[in-house]
Amino acid sequence: DGGITQSPKYLFRKEGQNVTLSCEQNLNHDAMYWYRQDPGQGLRLIYYSQIVNDFQKGDIAEGYSVSREKKESFPLTVTSAQKNPTAFYLCASSPDRVEKLFFGSGTQLSVL
Amino acid sequence: SQQGEEDPQALSIQEGENATMNCSYKTSINNLQWYRQNSGRGLVHLILIRSNEREKHSGRLRVTLDTSKKSSSLLITASRAADTASYFCATAGGSARQLTFGSGTQLTVLP
Repeated sequence: DGGITQSPKYLFRKEGQNVTLSCEQNLNHDAMYWYRQDPGQGLRLIYYSQIVNDFQKGDIAEGYSVSREKKESFPLTVTSAQKNPTAFYLCASSPDRVEKLFFGSGTQLSVL
Repeated sequence: SQQGEEDPQALSIQEGENATMNCSYKTSINNLQWYRQNSGRGLVHLILIRSNEREKHSGRLRVTLDTSKKSSSLLITASRAADTASYFCATAGGSARQLTFGSGTQLTVLP
């Protein structure tokens, strides 16, 4: 099956801990994106990458980091600097230009 | 900041009725897209309309775009209980390299 896989589905973070959310795609898309969604809100862009080994900050990049070492993978690390990390995190991919995003099923991150 | 704002925030209708959602945005766009999200799930792309188009249809969906008013509407005809979901508009700027999402409309279709 072609698509985007996010894992884990649920993740808990302790105070001062870094956690990494996984995102893998087998659609052969060049571009990948991370969005954050708070309850009852729209999506806000954290980071995006249009090509391997390159990525750009979105609107709310502070407290997050990413890497793009492989075309298929775009992991997101929520660092201890992110003071309010509880949210639903969505990964997406698209061909070069944004004409249609394909989304994963999301990771719900909560703070213990 | 978010580009698009949807109106209404929540809409409740009976099965078989039409549902209309509106989206307003602030800056010039390359295209505007509508997505659907079931509770706790990822978003699914519904339809795209380009800045030089005024209306587009896909099945029971009809999208209009008025670039002079910086607004779009999504009409779902003959709604079904399975249409219950959140609907988001998203805009792509001139370079069409990223999407900016609105705050969404929660649609509830009552059987």
